[in-house]
Amino acid sequence: NAGVTQTPKFRILKIGQSMTLQCTQDMNHNYMYWYRQDPGMGLKLIYYSVGAGITDKGEVPNGYNVSRSTTEDFPLRLELAAPSQTSVYFCASTGGRMGNEQFFGPGTRLTVL
Amino acid sequence: EDQVTQSPEALRLQEGESSSLNCSYTVSGLRGLFWYRQDPGKGPEFLFTLYSAGEEKEKERLKATLTKKESFLHITAPKPEDSATYLCAVQAGQGAQKLVFGQGTRLTINP
Repeated sequence: NAGVTQTPKFRILKIGQSMTLQCTQDMNHNYMYWYRQDPGMGLKLIYYSVGAGITDKGEVPNGYNVSRSTTEDFPLRLELAAPSQTSVYFCASTGGRMGNEQFFGPGTRLTVL
Repeated sequence: EDQVTQSPEALRLQEGESSSLNCSYTVSGLRGLFWYRQDPGKGPEFLFTLYSAGEEKEKERLKATLTKKESFLHITAPKPEDSATYLCAVQAGQGAQKLVFGQGTRLTINP
């Protein structure tokens, strides 16, 4: 299993541009999440999904959108990028032997200039 | 509002020097407290889940404990490879595992 994979690893955007961060998991997990992590800070939840076709807002959803058309994929869309969206973005899914372990991807480092 | 505060922000130890990291939390209806390890440039890696006060979990040189207000991550005789940022998170409410994270403790073990 590849686990949780994210693309791209790095990206630089200009203010006002849009992009999609890709996330795929091959563990057949129903629950998936998007977090952002600012320097020296913990992770903050942006959006989450409990299954295909079902998504909901987390703590910091403004400026982002998500969709979940399949169990495997959970893309995060940034519309009209702003400098405040400069951050490292992590995708995660919940599963494991006890069903309570969040598996994280390697992250996407985004800079908005 | 659910909150998690970790201390200290950074800790530097000599190899073999045991210590503890603290995670204080306020949450309505704790469903689980989680510890993660994060290496530079990588995603967090799951370590432990604790569910109720008095519970303890161990893994190699790490032991996590839980009270009603805080959790400790005890590190016994650490090695340089234990250097990382350690994150604490809490889960409240039903349904999806929406975690609230602390800001982390950056641990450095000098050889």
